[in-house]
This record gives sequence, structure tokens and C-alpha cells, in this order.
Amino acid sequence: EVQLVESGGGLVQPGGSLRLTCTASGFTLSSYDMHWVRQTTGKGLEWVSVIGIAGDTYYPDSVKGRFTISRENAKNSLYLQMNSLRADDTAVYYCARVASGSYQDYWGQGTLVTVSS
Amino acid sequence: QLVLTQSPSASASLGASVKLTCTLSSGHSSYAIAWHQQQPEKGPRYLMKLNSDGSHSKGDGIPDRFAGSSSGAERYLTISSLQSEDEGDYYCQTWGRGIQVFGGGTKLTVL
Repeated sequence: EVQLVESGGGLVQPGGSLRLTCTASGFTLSSYDMHWVRQTTGKGLEWVSVIGIAGDTYYPDSVKGRFTISRENAKNSLYLQMNSLRADDTAVYYCARVASGSYQDYWGQGTLVTVSS
Repeated sequence: QLVLTQSPSASASLGASVKLTCTLSSGHSSYAIAWHQQQPEKGPRYLMKLNSDGSHSKGDGIPDRFAGSSSGAERYLTISSLQSEDEGDYYCQTWGRGIQVFGGGTKLTVL
């Protein structure tokens, strides 16, 4: 059974840093593209980053230069390093497995990140 | 610019059918999309990938009550025999080179 479990969320001050972890089971993470997607309270979904099978990464302009996606194959884990955090980064962050390099076919339950002083 | 447009809300009665619409922006009518369901207080769940010709492939365990269809730049999700657990938000999503785009979501209320 495919499972994705996020951890590492919490309260952080503006300008601070946080690292999110997504632990995968039921499949080999290195064989798939993986996404981070976030959702602000009561709002829709916003794609945050992708890491391809070859290790290529892409980000939207809203987080480019501040967020870094990576993975550790030996631990079957995905990471999101978030630096220079702002209030508008406050959201639930989901990791998702990508099917055929295109759409998310499995999602985690999410971890809440709150940026506030 | 690749944009997906969804109506903010929809409602239908228990046991009835409802058709949700996702519209691709001009020049992108050939794009495939995916539909995702988000029940209250839960993470999203993948429903299906829907191609421009209306063919679709569903996620694991998605019942036959959920069906997809296409017409031009419109992508549809039809839910029949509505149940209370179908209430929630429905998002369409598409992709390009290095980008992912989500629609704003449709909040479905089952009356």
C-alpha cells in the first residue's frame, strides 16, 4: 500500500527556516517524480516544487530562491528546506507522488506550517 | 498562460447526479487534466486523469459513480448516485514543462 507521511511542520518566526520531511512506503521514491503542494486555510492548492527522477528541480516564482526540494533514496524520504519564511507561506504542506511525470496520484495527509511572530 | 477555471460551488441532492466543469485557457484545449477530491479536514485524493478525447484512467478504489468526459476546452467530472461522503472540494489540475497548475476548486454540497 502506498503511503506518504509528512512531518516537520510547526510555528516559525518570519525570516526563519524549517525543513519538512515526507517518508514514503509501499513504493521506491527514487523511481518517481515527487511534488510538494501547499494549501492556505480555506483556499485552494498551490504547487510548490517538483524533483524529477533525474534530480532536476523546478519551483514557482513565489518560492524560487527560498525553498529547496531534495530526496534521500536510502531513507525513501523527500525533503523541503524552507528559508526566509514569510507570513504568506503559512499553509498545510502536502507531498505527492507523480504519475507519468504529470499528475499527483497519491497524497500525504499534510503538515501545518505557521509563520508568525 | 495556462489557467484552469472552475465554478466556486455546486449542489445536488442525495442520490442525484452532478456535473462539475473545469475549463482550460485559450490555446490549451488539447491538454489532459487530473481531478482530485478533498473531503473536509482531509488531504486531497486522486480521482482520475482525463484526456482531451474523454478517455480517462481512475485511481485505486474510485467507484464507477465517478466518470470523466471532455468537450473542446471543457473537462467534466460527473458524480452519479450522490452520497453524503461525496461532499467536499473538487480540484482540477494540469501540467506543462516545469509547471503545475490547479483550478480554484469547486465546493460540492450534497443536499
